[in-house]
Amino acid sequence: QAVVTQEPSLTVSPGGTVTLTCGSSTGAVTSGHYPSWFQQKPGQAPRTLIYATSNKHSWTPARFSGSLLGGKAALTLSGAQPEDEAEYYCLVSYSVAWVFGGGTKLTVL
Amino acid sequence: QITLKESGPTLVKPTQTLTLTCTFSGFSLSASGVGVGWIRQPPGKALEWLALIYWDDDKRYSPSLKSRLTITKDTSKNQVVLTMTNMDPVDTATYYCAQKTSGSYYGWGQGTLVTVSS
Repeated sequence: QAVVTQEPSLTVSPGGTVTLTCGSSTGAVTSGHYPSWFQQKPGQAPRTLIYATSNKHSWTPARFSGSLLGGKAALTLSGAQPEDEAEYYCLVSYSVAWVFGGGTKLTVL
Repeated sequence: QITLKESGPTLVKPTQTLTLTCTFSGFSLSASGVGVGWIRQPPGKALEWLALIYWDDDKRYSPSLKSRLTITKDTSKNQVVLTMTNMDPVDTATYYCAQKTSGSYYGWGQGTLVTVSS
């Protein structure tokens, strides 16, 4: 089974910019993997921020954006807010199944 | 408004079979392209994708758990059922169901915590 890798933890200053990445053990992550990004706060269910690489939902704050970067999926947060402190997970499609990354704990400090 | 809710036992014994039901509203599992999936999260650990069933009864399973999982749907009741055999304490987790549509896991249930212990 493929392994999806994320940075275990990142820290960003309030108002700052940070990029989280999502890599695959099978090679480059492409748009064909339909990468998604989820935000999860303690005690809450995850919520989808980004799907199919860069698409946003109506509830996705404009400061979040998704892209492909250097063979990985990327989630960029521009203008971090204290409420963005959370765990972030990526999900990659391998046509027959999906695999989550191990998550990135983002601290806004 | 899309809602999903997981239900099932909170405690199961090792070797038993777990049966979870996802009851949803606000969408139809008969609609083209729509699916309902299951995801779990052990306490303090990462999310793990388990299974997905589509409107046309196409089913997908995590390769590592495929032998233990069965996913079915009852469109008339707006329900999706996941069974997992041979439960082990390592299967202790919060189990979520989620709607998949237009490429996104759009809506999520609140999750249900299942503990495996004798």
